Amino acid sequence: SAVISQKPSRDICQRGTSLTIQCQVDSQVTMMFWYRQQPGQSLTLIATANQGSEATYESGFVIDKFPISRPNLTFSTLTVSNMSPEDSSIYLCSASLTVNTEAFFGQGTRLTVV
Amino acid sequence: EDQVTQSPEALRLQEGESSSLNCSYTVSGLRGLFWYRQDPGKGPEFLFTLYSAGEEKEKERLKATLTKKESFLHITAPKPEDSATYLCAVRENTGNQFYFGTGTSLTVIP
Repeated sequence: SAVISQKPSRDICQRGTSLTIQCQVDSQVTMMFWYRQQPGQSLTLIATANQGSEATYESGFVIDKFPISRPNLTFSTLTVSNMSPEDSSIYLCSASLTVNTEAFFGQGTRLTVV
Repeated sequence: EDQVTQSPEALRLQEGESSSLNCSYTVSGLRGLFWYRQDPGKGPEFLFTLYSAGEEKEKERLKATLTKKESFLHITAPKPEDSATYLCAVRENTGNQFYFGTGTSLTVIP
């Protein structure tokens, strides 16, 4: 298994600003993912964070709005840029040790944009 | 087209009343099916992985089964602490991402 530490756990931000969320895994993992979850809803994949290369974004999500870094096999960041109230959500970091195994999740970052 | 569909959306059970949650999926080749539990304000907690039809996994009051088109999460004699949202996810042979269902919100009443 893997333990994922995500920070901040919550934040309230002004519109037009940016927030960077950090995700640290306690072991080297092959895959890292970033999800968004609206209250009472399921998980929507934002992107797969690739080590040493550009992230792979899902339809509806773009790099300019959600830049992602993954400098090594244990760490990734997601930035939510130029925030608007519609970006208020829970953002979750996830990691999978291999392509065949389960994903583990951080505790999430609850973001409120005012 | 939705790849993972969960039913029911919500389920209320009396303590001790057994039931099953369903997860149906449509993928060309299944690499794995995963069950998670999510409590309010927390990230999903991994429960089970199933890889092939006929496989079963058990943990305390929970038992997960898999066929070629669906999975069931059986809850035997549930307790109030089993109340949570249960999420199902699949991973295809052709990709690396997980496709999540919308979840079943389970409430167990004392």
